[in-house]
Amino acid sequence: EAAVTQSPRNKVAVTGGKVTLSCNQTNNHNNMYWYRQDTGHGLRLIHYSYGAGSTEKGDIPDGYKASRPSQENFSLILELATPSQTSVYFCASGNTEVFFGKGTRLTVV
Amino acid sequence: QQKVQQSPESLTVSEGAMASLNCTFSDGTSNNFRWYRQHSAKGLEVLVSIFSDGEKEEGRFTAHLNRANLHVSLHIREPQPSDSAVYLCAVSPYNNAGAKLTFGGGTRLTVRP
Repeated sequence: EAAVTQSPRNKVAVTGGKVTLSCNQTNNHNNMYWYRQDTGHGLRLIHYSYGAGSTEKGDIPDGYKASRPSQENFSLILELATPSQTSVYFCASGNTEVFFGKGTRLTVV
Repeated sequence: QQKVQQSPESLTVSEGAMASLNCTFSDGTSNNFRWYRQHSAKGLEVLVSIFSDGEKEEGRFTAHLNRANLHVSLHIREPQPSDSAVYLCAVSPYNNAGAKLTFGGGTRLTVRP
């Protein structure tokens, strides 16, 4: 089965600090996605990418940047982390099927 | 913008009884509907994908889609305690299942032994 690996799995950051969440897939998928999951909201799309060098805004992009330097890697960047960005973040990849990573729990204090 | 809502928020059933979960969506042109299961602290496991009106069965999991009523449901036959998890409905406007998804808020299912 296709594997999507996220790092770190847990992160505590300070308000105003920079946070980078990393995602790697070795399935040669063109499409990659970053979601966040909060109680009562399911998963909400932050940014996505159609391939190396491309990033697109999802439904809730404010406060986040994304980077796709290669087919395999897709990063989510919080330049100035805020407590409201405390959440569980999921990366996914897929062309005709979507595969999710195990999630990163981010706490901003 | 697509809106996806799930009901009930939580559901408790006894082992062996049928469990039924509901999902409504706002965009009637949506083409791709999926049900995921999420156990605590784990990723998402796709259970059923359905693309046309009617029924789609995958083992003990059956999805029913009625696009005219903007409704898709999931029925779990003979649920077991190991099926206790959060169930998420996801909708995409495209036939390509890899396209970006809009999720509902989830239903927390508890199966009592």
